[in-house]
Amino acid sequence: GAGVSQSPRYKVAKRGQDVALRCDPISGHVSLFWYQQALGQGPEFLTYFQNEAQLDKSGLPSDRFFAERPEGSVSTLKIQRTQQEDSAVYLCASSLNSYYEQYFGPGTRLTVT
Amino acid sequence: AQKITQTQPGMFVQEKEAVTLDCTYDTSDPSYGLFWYKQPSSGEMIFLIYQGSYDQQNATEGRYSLNFQKARKSANLVISASQLGDSAMYFCAMRGNSGGSNYKLTFGKGTLLTVNP
Repeated sequence: GAGVSQSPRYKVAKRGQDVALRCDPISGHVSLFWYQQALGQGPEFLTYFQNEAQLDKSGLPSDRFFAERPEGSVSTLKIQRTQQEDSAVYLCASSLNSYYEQYFGPGTRLTVT
Repeated sequence: AQKITQTQPGMFVQEKEAVTLDCTYDTSDPSYGLFWYKQPSSGEMIFLIYQGSYDQQNATEGRYSLNFQKARKSANLVISASQLGDSAMYFCAMRGNSGGSNYKLTFGKGTLLTVNP
């Protein structure tokens, strides 16, 4: 079946612009996660959804970051007033529920100039 | 808090040989899970293998095996019969199985494996 998909794959934004990154999880997966991967580093947790409920947003770096999953399927990560330090790959993952292995999408590479 | 340490920034192996990628961890959770992911240049994280802290036997999945030494807090990945397609970044990760955050993965910095023909 189809895996996790993310769009766009690449995004270049000027500093100060708002961006929206989309994640389509595997059908039927209840849990959805967002991670941020800086260059040369491992992914770091940003936020977690169980269906449409955002149960943990402790990893979001600032209040410029906002995530939603209004119908319990597709999720959007929004970054307002982008800064250079926001440049990273943003990975989305989904799992059947929180206890099972997480399946990752290909990521969105965000470059802020 | 959980921490994963991967001390090998890069590793080289000849095709068809075996290679071990090191991973040590630290956690206060009595129960936890350990994962290995492969990240090719395309960027997608591919799940390889899982080991539960209370599993009696070391996990194996095809050419991948996990050498789990609980007392040493190590969870090394062994890839047998390396193939050119194994060239990628490899990440060790862990998740606590108790408490209120038994879902988030903590990753190491990764090891870049290059398989030479």
